Amino acid sequence: EAAVTQSPRNKVTVTGGNVTLSCRQTNSHNYMYWYRQDTGHGLRLIHYSYGAGNLQIGDVPDGYKATRTTQEDFFLLLELASPSQTSLYFCASSDPGYSAETLYFGSGTRLTVL
Amino acid sequence: SQWGEENLQALSIQEGEDVTMNCSYKTYTTVVQWYRQKSGKGPAQLILIRSNEREKRSGRLRATLDTSSQSSSLSITGTLATDTAVYFCATDASAGNKLTFGIGTRVLVRP
Repeated sequence: EAAVTQSPRNKVTVTGGNVTLSCRQTNSHNYMYWYRQDTGHGLRLIHYSYGAGNLQIGDVPDGYKATRTTQEDFFLLLELASPSQTSLYFCASSDPGYSAETLYFGSGTRLTVL
Repeated sequence: SQWGEENLQALSIQEGEDVTMNCSYKTYTTVVQWYRQKSGKGPAQLILIRSNEREKRSGRLRATLDTSSQSSSLSITGTLATDTAVYFCATDASAGNKLTFGIGTRVLVRP
């Protein structure tokens, strides 16, 4: 089974702060995703990537940047964090060559912006 | 049922009972997936049903898909306390290998 590891598990920052959330997957999946999860909205896609150096815009990208440095590593950057970005963030990966539609999720990072 | 601006639906049942949750989607999809999210964990896929299938079974799980009404259901028979979780449906209605998730159904199975 795919392994997706997120860090940190919890993060608290202040408004205007700079935050980086990290994600690593160890199964050589091509696709990686960042979602945020909020009560009443379910999971919403922020950014995703097809491979190293590639970045695609998701459904709620405003205020977020992302970078895919290697096939394994995908980062989500909040350069000027705002309280509206307080949320539970999930990273996921998938491999179109095996089971295109199945996403494998990490355990999440809970971010609080004060 | 889940989707759109609806509030998260919550169900409370006794262990051993069966439960069915519903999902409706807005545009054509090639697959409907059902995911389960337990407390403190990320979602994990339970079952995937394709647009050319009407029913799919996996152990105690049964998923149905009605493309004419753009709806799907997930049933769990003989629930266990360990089935307590939030259940999401997801479709690939968007382009680019993106999944769109419903807002979920919270199921509490009382021992």
